[in-house]
Amino acid sequence: QKEVEQDPGPLSVPEGAIVSLNCTYSNSAFQYFMWYRQYSRKGPELLMYTYSSGNKEDGRFTAQVDKSSKYISLFIRDSQPSDSATYLCAMSQGNEKLTFGTGTRLTIIP
Amino acid sequence: GAGVSQSPRYKVAKRGQDVALRCDPISGHVSLFWYQQALGQGPEFLTYFQNEAQLDKSGLPSDRFFAERPEGSVSTLKIQRTQQEDSAVYLCASSRRWSGGNEQFFGPGTRLTVL
Repeated sequence: QKEVEQDPGPLSVPEGAIVSLNCTYSNSAFQYFMWYRQYSRKGPELLMYTYSSGNKEDGRFTAQVDKSSKYISLFIRDSQPSDSATYLCAMSQGNEKLTFGTGTRLTIIP
Repeated sequence: GAGVSQSPRYKVAKRGQDVALRCDPISGHVSLFWYQQALGQGPEFLTYFQNEAQLDKSGLPSDRFFAERPEGSVSTLKIQRTQQEDSAVYLCASSRRWSGGNEQFFGPGTRLTVL
């Protein structure tokens, strides 16, 4: 079983909908949690970065971390076609390697 | 400022050839990471440098893979005697090292195809 589990999708939602993406993990030592967006044939782009449990909001994006459940989420409000991409969750114990989920492919339908 | 750059963006190699992939991190970033991303998968860690010191190479899949960062800036990932299973996107990331964080910024990757 992988340390980080993420539903690969694909996930298709209509424009304007709220999107919910999530990951579960097994390593309780993870302290830093990230969401990356990756467009086709591009490198991952850092979207959200959180430390320990709690919520963080940035524009249309909200990241939630529940360390007691080992569960993290990313919410996208008012989804746009330009949000169509693969979303990767990633986490680490500290200043070293990231452990990624498989990525969820998201399509926003105009 | 400039982000992480990688070259070449695409590389086709015949099985058995050696390849060298280059990464230019963001200026001033102390830490540099290499990841391998197979099609439809998330990136997998290969190795990590802090300045010129290679602190973790536990993800390198075999002794055919070698990475260096001799002056603590540019890094090169070398793969000797390439095999078809080496075909993947190789991503480089860099980060500032500070006591509490690990925000890694990625380059566009080098797509390696081994025929």
